[in-house]
Amino acid sequence: GESVGLHLPTLSVQEGDNSIINCAYSNSASDYFIWYKQESGKGPQFIIDIRSNMDKRQGQRVTVLLNKTVKHLSLQIAATQPGDSAVYFCAENISSGSARQLTFGSGTQLTVLP
Amino acid sequence: GAGVSQSPSNKVTEKGKDVELRCDPISGHTALYWYRQSLGQGLEFLIYFQGNSAPDKSGLPSDRFSAERTGGSVSTLTIQRTQQEDSAVYLCASSLARAGRDTQYFGPGTRLTVL
Repeated sequence: GESVGLHLPTLSVQEGDNSIINCAYSNSASDYFIWYKQESGKGPQFIIDIRSNMDKRQGQRVTVLLNKTVKHLSLQIAATQPGDSAVYFCAENISSGSARQLTFGSGTQLTVLP
Repeated sequence: GAGVSQSPSNKVTEKGKDVELRCDPISGHTALYWYRQSLGQGLEFLIYFQGNSAPDKSGLPSDRFSAERTGGSVSTLTIQRTQQEDSAVYLCASSLARAGRDTQYFGPGTRLTVL
């Protein structure tokens, strides 16, 4: 079946460096992608989203890149801070009738080293 | 404004008991979702409510699971005759159900432990 997955389950970066978290998807019909951040004991928190008619979108310290040719999504975090330590999930939006469900990958644990 | 809230935050129960988990969505959000998250895993879709439409129950793992949404707002997820494999964090999300760009906002979750 089609799925959303992450290339790396864990990522450690030095504080102040940039982080790049990658995600592969296989459903060519997906038209909307979201990155969520989940801190321990909390629900996922929306970070940034992108629609399939775009290839780049920037937020505050975060950038999402979408390459539809190779079905690849990435999240770039600039000047990574200790508070960025969390699990990051990408999710794709699959439309099925009236339902709009999100399919999540298994997540990448980002650890920011002092 | 207030986000999605869930109660209880933690629930410990004995195998075979029934449990009810509650979700209060963001005011004005017409769509409501329930997900299940096992330890170290991604989110598994359970059920989706949208306005007055029939809910999408395609993700419910068994007939022991049911959910309702009263008055288009608060939702209750009920698990009957709980099993140990039901232990997980149950997350609720709500959204405006906007076509083309529908962002879901999550609550903190209910951690269910079945002994």
